[in-house]
Amino acid sequence: EVQLVETGGGLIQPGGSLRLSCAASGFTVSNNQISWVRQAPGKGLEWVSGIYSTGVPFSGVSGKGRFTISRDNSKNTVYLQMNSLRAEDTAVYYCARGHAGGLDYWGQGTLVTVSS
Amino acid sequence: DVVMTQSPLSLPVTLGQPVSISCRSSQSLVHSNGNTYLDWFQQRPGQSPRRLIYKVSNRASGVPDRFSGSGSGTDFTLKITNLEAEDVGVYYCMQGTQWPLTFGGGTKVEIK
Repeated sequence: EVQLVETGGGLIQPGGSLRLSCAASGFTVSNNQISWVRQAPGKGLEWVSGIYSTGVPFSGVSGKGRFTISRDNSKNTVYLQMNSLRAEDTAVYYCARGHAGGLDYWGQGTLVTVSS
Repeated sequence: DVVMTQSPLSLPVTLGQPVSISCRSSQSLVHSNGNTYLDWFQQRPGQSPRRLIYKVSNRASGVPDRFSGSGSGTDFTLKITNLEAEDVGVYYCMQGTQWPLTFGGGTKVEIK
């Protein structure tokens, strides 16, 4: 069964750093594209970053220069390193698996709150 | 980036009645390989998004056949033939033809 489990969220002060993890089971992350998508409270979905099966990363505007996606094939896990966090980064962060040009399986999400 | 525009923003519907949601893209979603990468998602209150439709009109595994997708180029539609209580939630379209992936703003479907 395909599963994605996000961890690492929490309360962090502005300017701080956080690393989110997305542990996959039921498939191999190195054979798939994985994306991070976030949802601010009461708002819509925003794609943040993705990593191709080749290992090449790609980030959207919101995270460029501050967020880095990476993966550990031995742990079957994808990470999102977030630096210089701002209040507007407050959101639930989901990881999702790429399939047929879209996203088929999603995790339950992890909440990141940036506040002093 | 490709801008996705959904309408309407909110849709109050009587149980058993049909639903139609529109999604328009700022440029054609036809990929150079000939495929059109347009997904539809349902997000029930308090839950993660769930894929309903991929590549415009293909139902994802386990999705009831009252959900259907259609369209081409820049103009797409999600239809629900007979609204059921469990269909309440927010619906999003998303294009995967060009990175970054981009989502529509969402359409909230509620019971009238």
